Amino acid sequence: DAGITQSPRHKVTETGTPVTLRCHQTENHRYMYWYRQDPGHGLRLIHYSYGVKDTDKGEVSDGYSVSRSKTEDFLLTLESATSSQTSVYFCAISERPQETQYFGPGTRLLVL
Amino acid sequence: GIQVEQSPPDLILQEGANSTLRCNFSDSVNNLQWFHQNPWGQLINLFYIPSGTKQNGRLSATTVATERYSLLYISSSQTTDSGVYFCAVESPNFNKFYFGSGTKLNVKP
Repeated sequence: DAGITQSPRHKVTETGTPVTLRCHQTENHRYMYWYRQDPGHGLRLIHYSYGVKDTDKGEVSDGYSVSRSKTEDFLLTLESATSSQTSVYFCAISERPQETQYFGPGTRLLVL
Repeated sequence: GIQVEQSPPDLILQEGANSTLRCNFSDSVNNLQWFHQNPWGQLINLFYIPSGTKQNGRLSATTVATERYSLLYISSSQTTDSGVYFCAVESPNFNKFYFGSGTKLNVKP
C-alpha cells in the first residue's frame, strides 16, 4: 500500500472557524489531490498539485485553498467553515497524471 | 466536465454469483480507473484501464474507449467483495478526474 496518511482523521468544528487538513506521503510522488465525498455525488476533485508550490483548481474549489511547500505534504484549508463543507475528505497521490491514483484513509469533517 | 454514469446503482448478489458493472462516460478520456471502497471507507485501486482488457484474479475489466464505456466483471462473488465500486475518468485536460456515483454491491452469504 502507498504510504499516505491524513490528519486529523475526524474533526468537529463550528461554522466560521478555520480548518486545515493535512495529507502526508512517503512515496515522493509528484501529483497530489484533494477530493470530497458526499452521498449521491461520488468523489469530486477540490484542488490538486503537480509539484511544490504548483497547484490548480478542481471541480468544487470554492471555499477551499491549498498549499504545498514540500513534496510530501499537501494542506487543504477551509478559511471559514460552513455546514455545506461537512463531508469526508480524501487525499490521493500519483506519480504521473495518467497513472494509478492511491488514496489516503480519509478525514471525516463535521461543521456544526 | 465529463459526465460519468454507473449502473446499476445498487446490486445484491448471492455468494458465488457473477456480475457486470457498467461505466459510461460522455467524452474522450485519457485515463480510466476502477476503485473499490470497502465498508470501512478505504478506497482501493482495482484497475487502470484506458482501453482494452485486464484481469486480476476473479475481477476483470474491459474499456471500449471509442464507444465510451467500461465494464467491470466480478466472478464467483464473495462477501468481501461488498462495498461501492467507482469508475473514474481523466479528462483530456490532464489532471481533472471525474468520478461516477458508484455501484453499491452487497454480497450475501
